[in-house]
Amino acid sequence: GDSVTQTEGQVALSEEDFLTIHCNYSASGYPTLFWYVQYPGEGPQLLFRASRDKEKGSSRGFEATYDKGTTSFHLRKASVQESDSAVYYCALRTMQQGTGSKLSFGKGAKLTVSP
Amino acid sequence: DPKIIQKPKYLVAVTGSEKILICEQYLGHNAMYWYRQSAKKPLEFMFSYSYQKLMDNQTASSRFQPQSSKKNHLDLQITALKPDDSATYFCASSQGQGRNNQAPFFGEGTRLSVL
Repeated sequence: GDSVTQTEGQVALSEEDFLTIHCNYSASGYPTLFWYVQYPGEGPQLLFRASRDKEKGSSRGFEATYDKGTTSFHLRKASVQESDSAVYYCALRTMQQGTGSKLSFGKGAKLTVSP
Repeated sequence: DPKIIQKPKYLVAVTGSEKILICEQYLGHNAMYWYRQSAKKPLEFMFSYSYQKLMDNQTASSRFQPQSSKKNHLDLQITALKPDDSATYFCASSQGQGRNNQAPFFGEGTRLSVL
């Protein structure tokens, strides 16, 4: 089935470091790709999405480019802040006739940024 | 103002009992979903509804039964609770389920502990 493989576990950085969280997907057809962020005690919040090859999604200094050739959607930020500490999930939306759509999430990467 | 209300925020239950998780959305969306997040698994799709009609069910157990009494309600009834059901259950909604429709918006979740 359709799936997402992303950087998992803990990612520890210092303020102003460069962030990369890798995300690769496996899907038939042309899925829509998402990055969600989750803060403690809250539900996942959409960062941004992309739905076609070479499309760049961006928000709050984070960005990712849909690459159909490498089946990737890596999250990057040039200079992280302590307030970026959260769990980041890559997800894809698949659609099937008659059953609508659903999101498949990666396992999440917990980013901790120290001052 | 909360856009998706999930009640209760925390829930403790004994093994074998039955509980209902409440979800109401005030976004005017016509598609609603349930996802589950546990310590062992990432965010996992459970159900999707569109215009109060079940579209997809990825839950193996019939102990989980969604109930939609109104267009903006999608409750989740869980019977014969087991300790493995302990998780945070997220309700989400979106305007439609098509490829070009918006990303699902998530509530803050109900954290269920089964003793």
